[in-house]
Amino acid sequence: DGGITQSPKYLFRKEGQNVTLSCEQNLNHDAMYWYRQDPGQGLRLIYYSQIVNDFQKGDIAEGYSVSREKKESFPLTVTSAQKNPTAFYLCASSPPDGFGYEQYFGPGTRLTVT
Amino acid sequence: RKEVEQDPGPFNVPEGATVAFNCTYSNSASQSFFWYRQDCRKEPKLLMSVYSSGNEDGRFTAQLNRASQYISLLIRDSKLSDSATYLCVVNGETDSWGKLQFGAGTQVVVTP
Repeated sequence: DGGITQSPKYLFRKEGQNVTLSCEQNLNHDAMYWYRQDPGQGLRLIYYSQIVNDFQKGDIAEGYSVSREKKESFPLTVTSAQKNPTAFYLCASSPPDGFGYEQYFGPGTRLTVT
Repeated sequence: RKEVEQDPGPFNVPEGATVAFNCTYSNSASQSFFWYRQDCRKEPKLLMSVYSSGNEDGRFTAQLNRASQYISLLIRDSKLSDSATYLCVVNGETDSWGKLQFGAGTQVVVTP
């Protein structure tokens, strides 16, 4: 089955530690995205990548980093510089020829930093 | 002003009834519009795209009003399983490669 996988589902870290969230897709999609969702707010774009070895900052990139070495993989690192990292992190991908470039989401990772 | 605004609800709907709600967007150049459904503590899932002429998918009908810059979603014959948060999603860039703006969602609760 094709889809997007994110791991782990739940992640707990101490303040000051960097943590990397995994996102893998086997949909052969070119574009991939990272969002965070906080209670009562819409999804906010952290980073996006349209092709391998290229990525762009989204609206809230500070304190995050990404890499795109393979088409299938787009890991997100939450660094210790991110002031409020506790959130629900969602990875998405979109086909290049889909209508309006609709996006498909992985199951998400809930990160709690204490 | 937020780029995509939605009434957070909740809309409490008796089973079998009809519910409708809107979403307004600020970018008049937006070209793509979607409704996503998000269950509690789950990822958003694409419910339907919204076409200029309006479109229907089973019990769900979506409309686009470009003049007033809003889209709507109507759910007929509501089922208990329709209880969810519905996210309005709009393409916020004129180059339309896929940078989407998400509303905070409208919660729908269908009651027996």
